[in-house]
Amino acid sequence: DGGITQSPKYLFRKEGQNVTLSCEQNLNHDAMYWYRQDPGQGLRLIYYSQIVNDFQKGDIAEGYSVSREKKESFPLTVTSAQKNPTAFYLCASSGGTVTGELFFGEGSRLTVL
Amino acid sequence: AQSVTQLDSHVSVSEGTPVLLRCNYSSSYSPSLFWYVQHPNKGLQLLLKYTSAATLVKGINGFEAEFKKSETSFHLTKPSAHMSDAAEYFCVVSRLSGGYNKLIFGAGTRLAVHP
Repeated sequence: DGGITQSPKYLFRKEGQNVTLSCEQNLNHDAMYWYRQDPGQGLRLIYYSQIVNDFQKGDIAEGYSVSREKKESFPLTVTSAQKNPTAFYLCASSGGTVTGELFFGEGSRLTVL
Repeated sequence: AQSVTQLDSHVSVSEGTPVLLRCNYSSSYSPSLFWYVQHPNKGLQLLLKYTSAATLVKGINGFEAEFKKSETSFHLTKPSAHMSDAAEYFCVVSRLSGGYNKLIFGAGTRLAVHP
């Protein structure tokens, strides 16, 4: 079945460590996105990529990095520079720009100990 | 600038009674509007979308929403709540910006359904 796979679902990290969250899609979508979700808030855009080997900062990119070497994959690294990394991270993809509909993965919950 | 306001952070209904989740938007352009649903610890699923066609939009699981330009509203309704409807609901406005579809999410409304 087509969809978006995020891993791991739960991740614990010590302060000062970088961690990488995986996002893979088999929908043949060009655009991919990373969002951060905190309790009681809507989703906030971290990074997005409209095409392979290109990506743009979203609203809260500081402390995060991404790569887009393959169409199917858009991993997110949460670096030690991110001051408050504990959150729920959602990856999404979009097949076009006309309607803006996004397809979401199941999310990764990162907890910093 | 685009923005979206969900007027209730929590809504509680009894099973079998109507559901109303309220959303107001602000947009300088003709917007695309969406409602997404999120069950605990899951990703978001599209319920329905408005893209300047019919103002009354029908979605999955019996939900519908009406686009009212004069009131800048896009409220989500369902005639009869089911226990499985308990989830968080997000109203979203979208516009094209530099070839990219920018989505603005509301803060969410948590729907509780009681037996």
